[in-house]
Amino acid sequence: EAGVAQSPRYKIIEKRQSVAFWCNPISGHATLYWYQQILGQGPKLLIQFQNNGVVDDSQLPKDRFSAERLKGVDSTLKIQPAKLEDSAVYLCASSLEEASILQYFGPGTRLTVL
Amino acid sequence: SQKIEQNSEALNIQEGKTATLTCNYTNYSPAYLQWYRQDPGRGPVFLLLIRENEKEKRKERLKVTFDTTLKQSLFHITASQPADSATYLCALDALSGGYNKLIFGAGTRLAVHP
Repeated sequence: EAGVAQSPRYKIIEKRQSVAFWCNPISGHATLYWYQQILGQGPKLLIQFQNNGVVDDSQLPKDRFSAERLKGVDSTLKIQPAKLEDSAVYLCASSLEEASILQYFGPGTRLTVL
Repeated sequence: SQKIEQNSEALNIQEGKTATLTCNYTNYSPAYLQWYRQDPGRGPVFLLLIRENEKEKRKERLKVTFDTTLKQSLFHITASQPADSATYLCALDALSGGYNKLIFGAGTRLAVHP
């Protein structure tokens, strides 16, 4: 079974630039999550999709972050414009159930904002 | 305020000993608690889930306990090996807008020395 795929693995941009991350979840997983993990901290949920609908985006900085999951499969997360404090690893995860049980994580995208 | 606390200091143990990691939480009433392993440059990997009505769960050399009165979970690795060296994250569910989401602790880094 293929795991959660993410790209790119690394990205370096200057502040005020835009960046986009892509995620392809495990086939058949209806729930998809984007997390931000700052160095030395645990993952923090940014947005949760159930199929192609958003069920929780309470911690997504909506003035600069956006995410979509068209057709209920893969997803993109965009930051526009980026700030220095956005430097982090962005993790995508998926789960079969909607109750957040047993999440499968991708390898993450390490973003550095200069 | 709501908090999940794990030992921020690394745990160093000798190969063959039992490693015990602690996860404490305040102002949450989780229905279940999960433990994940994270290696450098990789996403977290699910290890074990324990529900609020379970006191203890085992899987091979791993054991998790869950005390809802003390608001604490203990994670044990018996007969530890250098390959067990990683960061271990605890995560509990929190209800948000009718959906469960996972709240992660910052993790404890375990180093097993030969």
